[in-house]
Amino acid sequence: AQTVTQSQPEMSVQEAETVTLSCTYDTSESNYYLFWYKQPPSRQMILVIRQEAYKQQNATENRFSVNFQKAAKSFSLKISDSQLGDTAMYFCALWDDYKLSFGAGTTVTVRA
Amino acid sequence: EAQVTQNPRYLITVTGKKLTVTCSQNMNHEYMSWYRQDPGLGLRQIYYSMNVEVTDKGDVPEGYKVSRKEKRNFPLILESPSPNQTSLYFCASSLELQGYEQFFGPGTRLTVL
Repeated sequence: AQTVTQSQPEMSVQEAETVTLSCTYDTSESNYYLFWYKQPPSRQMILVIRQEAYKQQNATENRFSVNFQKAAKSFSLKISDSQLGDTAMYFCALWDDYKLSFGAGTTVTVRA
Repeated sequence: EAQVTQNPRYLITVTGKKLTVTCSQNMNHEYMSWYRQDPGLGLRQIYYSMNVEVTDKGDVPEGYKVSRKEKRNFPLILESPSPNQTSLYFCASSLELQGYEQFFGPGTRLTVL
């Protein structure tokens, strides 16, 4: 069964604007990790941001930040000041029980 | 340069012809894994290895084999490929088991006719 759900197949955003990608997950573990990976047209998988479940503080990496709602099992990604180079597919991923499970992905297109 | 390499990058083959996709990492990572990526399904884990001679099934292991005889190498073997194994395959490695960033290889595009 799918344990990571990304409900937005595609999103479009104007350059310099902000876009938020949603992700919900399901796990019975108390200790787990969440990730957002970016896959540009080159197909390379690139880590965007990592969140440890036991840390309440939301992770931030430059223009990328997350809203981690543990009780709701929600892990959204906000991209601020969007740039053309942010155009890519974004995957939410959950690490628990020695495995990494991915969502289906959200394609983000940044318009000039 | 720290990296995960995969070979070949592209492969077109026919049903039933055994093939191996190699994966190698130079970071002395303990954990290695194989994924397949299909449209609308994201990446799904095929097999993973926690160390030399220690492997376990992921979510979609049917039709695949792996081995981990050396720490740096983790080949994926398709004994009798079928068209439903046409996919984009990624190898990945991470320093330890739990929660560390996985470093991905460049991917292998496999087409089985």
